[in-house]
Amino acid sequence: NAGVTQTPKFRVLKTGQSMTLLCAQDMNHEYMYWYRQDPGMGLRLIHYSVGEGTTAKGEVPDGYNVSRLKKQNFLLGLESAAPSQTSVYFCASSYEGSGGAYNEQFFGPGTRLTVL
Amino acid sequence: AQSVTQPDIHITVSEGASLELRCNYSYGATPYLFWYVQSPGQGLQLLLKYFSGDTLVQGIKGFEAEFKRSQSSFNLRKPSVHWSDAAEYFCAVAHTGGFKTIFGAGTRLFVKA
Repeated sequence: NAGVTQTPKFRVLKTGQSMTLLCAQDMNHEYMYWYRQDPGMGLRLIHYSVGEGTTAKGEVPDGYNVSRLKKQNFLLGLESAAPSQTSVYFCASSYEGSGGAYNEQFFGPGTRLTVL
Repeated sequence: AQSVTQPDIHITVSEGASLELRCNYSYGATPYLFWYVQSPGQGLQLLLKYFSGDTLVQGIKGFEAEFKRSQSSFNLRKPSVHWSDAAEYFCAVAHTGGFKTIFGAGTRLFVKA
């Protein structure tokens, strides 16, 4: 199993450009998440999904959109990139089970995005 | 509001020495608690978790953590650190307000020979 994969690994954008980050998981997990990681701030939740076709806002959703058309994929879009969106983006997934939505999360390797 | 505090931004220990990383949380009910490790350039990997029951939990790579409700703490320990343990460690609390996990800011561990 590949686990959680993210595409691309690195990307440089100019201000105002758009892009989509792809996350895929092969563990049949119900829940998927997008985080951004900035120095000294830990991980902050951007958007999340509790199932195919559903999405919800997290802590820092402004400037981002998401879609979950298929259970295994969770896409993060930047409509008009800004320098403040320079960050490392992580996708994660988790599963139903005894802990329900509070089971541990499985993380992808991250995408390093720079917006000039 | 729920929060997680890791008081130490970075810690340096000698190889073979013991380690304790601190984590304090603010939460009204019994929390779901996690410790994750992040090696450079990698995603986060679960070390251990606490949901209920025995307050001393064992994890991978020889790590353990103890939940102390009276102190709102969930400190991570290892009796003998190896050079390969150098990484960043994150404490996290599951947010029962809806599918959210709150992460601390992280503690970077340096191991000296």
